[in-house]
Amino acid sequence: AQSVTQLDSQVPVFEEAPVELRCNYSSSVSVYLFWYVQYPNQGLQLLLKYLSGSTLVKGINGFEAEFNKSQTSFHLRKPSVHISDTAEYFCAVTVNDMRFGAGTRLTVKP
Amino acid sequence: KAGVTQTPRYLIKTRGQQVTLSCSPISGHRSVSWYQQTPGQGLQFLFEYFSETQRNKGNFPGRFSGRQFSNSRSEMNVSTLELGDSALYLCASSLSPGQINEQFFGPGTRLTVL
Repeated sequence: AQSVTQLDSQVPVFEEAPVELRCNYSSSVSVYLFWYVQYPNQGLQLLLKYLSGSTLVKGINGFEAEFNKSQTSFHLRKPSVHISDTAEYFCAVTVNDMRFGAGTRLTVKP
Repeated sequence: KAGVTQTPRYLIKTRGQQVTLSCSPISGHRSVSWYQQTPGQGLQFLFEYFSETQRNKGNFPGRFSGRQFSNSRSEMNVSTLELGDSALYLCASSLSPGQINEQFFGPGTRLTVL
């Protein structure tokens, strides 16, 4: 079965700094990869997804992620974060059903 | 277009009781998935319904069940509640089954079991 590991439970950064949220996955078959964001008291919102094709995926709100098959990683990046990016971020992988990582709490400080 | 709605938003029950949660998908979406979110276990897949049929089921005991109606609305039921069932239950809808399609999540129902 597939699984996902988010390597950082919390990431504090200052506003306008770059950020990388790390995600590794394991699976014996090809997978589809996703990043979701969850703001307080809300459901999840899709940031971006990798199904096939280009390994660099661009999403909403200036986020992008790179699929690295050899390192089984799908790290999320943003070159300059805003206070409004403060939220919980989830990496997910799906083969038959969706498996989520434990989440990374991104806190952007002024 | 209205988003995914879940009712009720908050619920308090006692051990041994049962509970039913409701989810109305986005208009035109025929697939509905349910997830349980807890601080300890994170987000876990419960089940997926499409055209009133359960397509996929996560690793949860039989106390957790669901169904989907002809209008794509879905309900999930938890019987004989346990303290560990306290969680945020999220519903997500998509146009078609298979979770490679973008899922749109509702705000969740927060269930507290006392």
